[in-house]
Amino acid sequence: DAGVIQSPRHEVTEMGQEVTLRCKPISGHDYLFWYRQTMMRGLELLIYFNNNVPIDDSGMPEDRFSAKMPNASFSTLKIQPSEPRDSAVYFCASGTGVTGELFFGEGSRLTVL
Amino acid sequence: QQQVKQSPQSLIVQKGGISIINCAYENTAFDYFPWYQQFPGKGPALLIAIRPDVSEKKEGRFTISFNKSAKQFSLHIMDSQPGDSATYFCAASSGGTSYGKLTFGQGTILTVHP
Repeated sequence: DAGVIQSPRHEVTEMGQEVTLRCKPISGHDYLFWYRQTMMRGLELLIYFNNNVPIDDSGMPEDRFSAKMPNASFSTLKIQPSEPRDSAVYFCASGTGVTGELFFGEGSRLTVL
Repeated sequence: QQQVKQSPQSLIVQKGGISIINCAYENTAFDYFPWYQQFPGKGPALLIAIRPDVSEKKEGRFTISFNKSAKQFSLHIMDSQPGDSATYFCAASSGGTSYGKLTFGQGTILTVHP
């Protein structure tokens, strides 16, 4: 398996623009997680899905952030409008809930100017 | 109550030495305690994990020690190698359908000198 695939790997945009991050989880995994990593706040969970249904979005910072999982093989995290404080590395991870292990993608590094 | 406190922030060890990283938690509902390893430009990867029904778990050179009464757990890396140089994160979750809802420590940057 190719692992969790995220795109784009790097995104530089200007404040106010819409940003869409994409994730393809490992086939067969029924849990999908979006985490954000910054120097100040470390790794924090934004939202997670089970069987394509959002279970907990309490970590989503504000209404500018939204996430969808239209099917078992694809998820998006959208920021509209983006702000400089959204600059971070966004990770997608997937898992089965059986072993407890999360498999992380390589991340999408977002820079908002 | 959701915090996981990790120390030290950085650690320098000579090749062949023992690296020790400590974590403490407050939420008694936590019942799954993994350690993740992250290399620059990569996502975190599971290294080893423990549940509170055991006090120690060993996998190769990596050992987790768990003290439920003190609400502390630690990672020991024996015979540390330059290839172990990475950032290490402890984490905790309450299991069940929330197993992946991890609360991470702030991370420890480990440097192993040859």
